[in-house]
Amino acid sequence: AQKVTQAQTEISVVEKEDVTLDCVYETRDTTYYLFWYKQPPSGELVFLIRRNSFDEQNEISGRYSWNFQKSTSSFNFTITASQVVDSAVYFCALSSLDTGRRALTFGSGTRLQVQP
Amino acid sequence: DAGVIQSPRHEVTEMGQEVTLRCKPISGHNSLFWYRQTMMRGLELLIYFNNNVPIDDSGMPEDRFSAKMPNASFSTLKIQPSEPRDSAVYFCASSSSGGELEETQYFGPGTRLLVL
Repeated sequence: AQKVTQAQTEISVVEKEDVTLDCVYETRDTTYYLFWYKQPPSGELVFLIRRNSFDEQNEISGRYSWNFQKSTSSFNFTITASQVVDSAVYFCALSSLDTGRRALTFGSGTRLQVQP
Repeated sequence: DAGVIQSPRHEVTEMGQEVTLRCKPISGHNSLFWYRQTMMRGLELLIYFNNNVPIDDSGMPEDRFSAKMPNASFSTLKIQPSEPRDSAVYFCASSSSGGELEETQYFGPGTRLLVL
């Protein structure tokens, strides 16, 4: 069975602070994808980043960066210099290709509040 | 390019009535997913199709729920009869199995269903 855990229920920061959202996953599969999605107050789910299980290279894309570590089964997401528009619920998700379970298993989400 | 299209965006109905939700995936995508989001259970898969064929319907709550994908550009999720506990946001998502962003699911805006 697959599982995604986001231990942080809610985080509040002041604008321009950096913030890291934690994600820990469980899977027995060797080929899988990890994702981060953003759900702003308007309710849509917006794709942010994707990583496959064979690529542990960490990257930066604008104000976003991520740290994927297979050894600890973690896929953390950092927003640098946060802005009020970053306020949203952020979901970490996992899909597997080994078992054909290509549907996403979501974490429970972390609500980020960025105060001006 | 048009994203995933869902209709209606909002639906209010009375218990016992039939509800039909509709989804048009992104052109060229060969997988389509239906998810439900509730406060209690978070985001969970209902069913997914690959090349118009249902692959995993283990998340469909019961016989009151049914889904079809008659062609590559259209899917429906039907609830008959509806019950108050079906109140939720229903998301449709699509993905492709090839290309640079293979397996990345793009979500529609969701249908907010309220069953009175």
